[in-house]
Parts: sequence; C-alpha cells; structure tokens
Amino acid sequence: ETGVTQTPRHLVMGMTNKKSLKCEQHLGHNAMYWYKQSAKKPLELMFVYSLEERVENNSVPSRFSPECPNSSHLFLHLHTLQPEDSALYLCASSQHLNNQPQHFGDGTRLSIL
Amino acid sequence: QKEVEQNSGPLSVPEGAIASLNCTYSDRGSQSFFWYRQYSGKSPELIMFIYSNGDKEDGRFTAQLNKASQYVSLLIRDSQPSDSATYLCAVEAAGNKLTFGGGTRVLVKP
Repeated sequence: ETGVTQTPRHLVMGMTNKKSLKCEQHLGHNAMYWYKQSAKKPLELMFVYSLEERVENNSVPSRFSPECPNSSHLFLHLHTLQPEDSALYLCASSQHLNNQPQHFGDGTRLSIL
Repeated sequence: QKEVEQNSGPLSVPEGAIASLNCTYSDRGSQSFFWYRQYSGKSPELIMFIYSNGDKEDGRFTAQLNKASQYVSLLIRDSQPSDSATYLCAVEAAGNKLTFGGGTRVLVKP
C-alpha cells in the first residue's frame, strides 16, 4: 500500500462532463503535486502545492482546476475536457519543496470520449 | 531542446549482468537527481536519489553523478527479470521544478 492514495483508479467521461480526481497522502508531507503521463511522453508537471498554497501552475489549460483544502488532500477538478486529455494522472507528495524525493500514488487512468 | 534526456531503449540485459542507464540534463544549476522505476500500468517508485558528485550505492543499485559533464547514471548489478521496467530519470532544476526524462525501458532476459 502506498502512502499516497488516488481515487478513482479509472474514469471515463464525455467532453461535457464535470468530474474530480482525489488524492490523499498519509505521509505527513507538506508538498503535493499533480502530473500528467501520456503515452510516449515524459511525465509533465501540472501543479505544485506547498502548505496548501499553489506555487506552480505549469501553463495548464483552465479546464483543469486544482484544489488543496489541507496538506493531506489534493483535488483536480475537470470540465470540458478534450480527447487529448486522456492520460494517466498522477499525484505525488514530498516532505518539503526543495530537494526532496517525491512519492507517487497509483494514478487515475482518464479516458475522454 | 529536451531538458532531461534518456535513451528510450529497450535495453536488453542477460540475467545476472549489469544494466547501465544514462541520463543527461541541460540545466547546470540542477541540484537534485532521482531515479524512479515504473512497471507497466503502475506508478513511478523511487529507487535512488543523489545530490553530490560521485557514486552512491544502495543494494544492487548505484547512482553516479557528474555535474561537470551534466549526466547521471544508474547501474543495476546482478540484474533480475523483476528489474524489467521503465527507469525514469528526474532532475530538480531552478524553481523546485522536477523534470522527468522519457524513461529507458529495461528488459532482463532469463
């Protein structure tokens, strides 16, 4: 069992739907991250939160909206997605921001119809 | 220009041999370097991290860092079929942004 839990594991949605991805970390970490992993492409950093404050928004389209209500929970709200948004979305956490190993959840496999 | 580059492979290695994986990076200010292993359909799992020039050993794994030449490598000794996976190199550059390479797929053949 990883210390970072993501739900749901799989999600199929239409382009007009609204859904949310959830991430919870049980490691007492202060920083949390969202990544996108597409086939044949490197992991792409999307958002970074430190102590519930967003510190990085890596030119992500506004149809992705993150939320970090506390240091243990992170959400990614999805609306009006495009087929090219189909990917594995990974959540990670680290003790602090600087020079810290990141621990990943199992990811949510998202398919946009 | 890619910030972190890895040979995509596959790197085919006989069981018991040494697998050698290389990673180069473009940002000279990079300070932290990580190797992750990712099995198909699974999430990345941290194997090693290294901050200083030289070698760092952990079990069958050795990470080697050369900041002057801007490369970091991973050696897997006594390779096992269970080591077959994609190995991701990640580099923390300015602004605390962790940048991943595309990964090297390793196949260990019995």
